[in-house]
Amino acid sequence: AQSVSQHNHHVILSEAASLELGCNYSYGGTVNLFWYVQYPGQHLQLLLKYFSGDPLVKGIKGFEAEFIKSKFSFNLRKPSVQWSDTAEYFCATRPSGTYKYIFGTGTRLKVLA
Amino acid sequence: DVKVTQSSRYLVKRTGEKVFLECVQDMDHENMFWYRQDPGLGLRLIYFSYDVKMKEKGDIPEGYSVSREKKERFSLILESASTNQTSMYLCASSPGGTAYSNQPQHFGDGTRLSIL
Repeated sequence: AQSVSQHNHHVILSEAASLELGCNYSYGGTVNLFWYVQYPGQHLQLLLKYFSGDPLVKGIKGFEAEFIKSKFSFNLRKPSVQWSDTAEYFCATRPSGTYKYIFGTGTRLKVLA
Repeated sequence: DVKVTQSSRYLVKRTGEKVFLECVQDMDHENMFWYRQDPGLGLRLIYFSYDVKMKEKGDIPEGYSVSREKKERFSLILESASTNQTSMYLCASSPGGTAYSNQPQHFGDGTRLSIL
């Protein structure tokens, strides 16, 4: 079965530290990849997505992600985190030609001021 | 702006009750989804619908049913609520058929359901 793995379940960083959250997917065909963020008490919202073209994609709030097909990875990065980035982050994929989105288990990020 | 509205933010029900969770989207999206979100387990798909009156089981459909009589509305039904259904329930929508698989989902604020 198709799956998405997020290996970091909890991450604690100080402000201004760099962030990289790992995401690996299992599907070998054409995939569409997404990162969502859920701030405390808020709904999930899209950070960025990749479906074709430049494998380095830029999203909102200074986040970016790199699609590496040979590694089945789509890691999320931010060069300098802020306290306001404290949230839960979800990686997701939707294989082309399907209806279902497959989510990872999420990574809780806490940024210390 | 895109809007997915869930009828309740918090709901408390008793074991054995029939529970209805409602979701409405204003984007004319074909696809709608119900998930439950539990700590450490991420989002698990309960049911989804790709058209009016059409539904497909997700990964954890047991104990749930759904109804989609109108395009904008997707209801989740707990036939006989049990304590292990205490959870956060999220509704989402996305556009089009399988040709639109590069489009993201839009989520509601969630309903935190407690079954006593």
